[in-house]
Amino acid sequence: AQSVTQLGSHVSVSEGALVLLRCNYSSSVPPYLFWYVQYPNQGLQLLLKYTSAATLVKGINGFEAEFKKSETSFHLTKPSAHMSDAAEYFCAVSDSGAGSYQLTFGKGTKLSVIP
Amino acid sequence: SQTIHQWPATLVQPVGSPLSLECTVEGTSNPNLYWYRQAAGRGLQLLFYSVGIGQISSEVPQNLSASRPQDRQFILSSKKLLLSDSGFYLCAWSGRDSYEQYFGPGTRLTVT
Repeated sequence: AQSVTQLGSHVSVSEGALVLLRCNYSSSVPPYLFWYVQYPNQGLQLLLKYTSAATLVKGINGFEAEFKKSETSFHLTKPSAHMSDAAEYFCAVSDSGAGSYQLTFGKGTKLSVIP
Repeated sequence: SQTIHQWPATLVQPVGSPLSLECTVEGTSNPNLYWYRQAAGRGLQLLFYSVGIGQISSEVPQNLSASRPQDRQFILSSKKLLLSDSGFYLCAWSGRDSYEQYFGPGTRLTVT
């Protein structure tokens, strides 16, 4: 079965500093990978996705992620944090073993941005 | 463009009362539909998914049920709520052959 591990349930960065949110996955087949962002009391919004094309994926709001097969990782980065980036971030992997097109989500990382 | 709606946005219900949450999708046809629950600090738990009208798969045994009476309508129900049913309920849709899911704004349910 597929699984996703997000290292660090809480990450704090200073405004203007590098954001790095870690995601490792396990999958028996080439995966599709996603990052979602959730602001308080809102639904999840798709940030970016990897679908076996370019390994470096650019998303919205200046975020990007790099697929590294050898490390089974899909870490999310942003060069300079902004106050508006404070939110919870979820990594997800395609669950090819399921009966339909399901995703397995990580437990989330809450990002705080310190002014 | 596609949009997904959920209502109500918030709900406070006593233990033992019934529940009905509704989700509708616009701008697409034959979507896959999903219900998730998000409890504090526990990530997203897939409750039900549906690949077509009347076709419901349950992921977690519990006192909740789901129905899909129309192609773009997904309903989450309960006959008698438990305290443990409190949480943030999210509906999502994906294309017929796609893993990419799009989420609704959610319903905050508090069972008292």
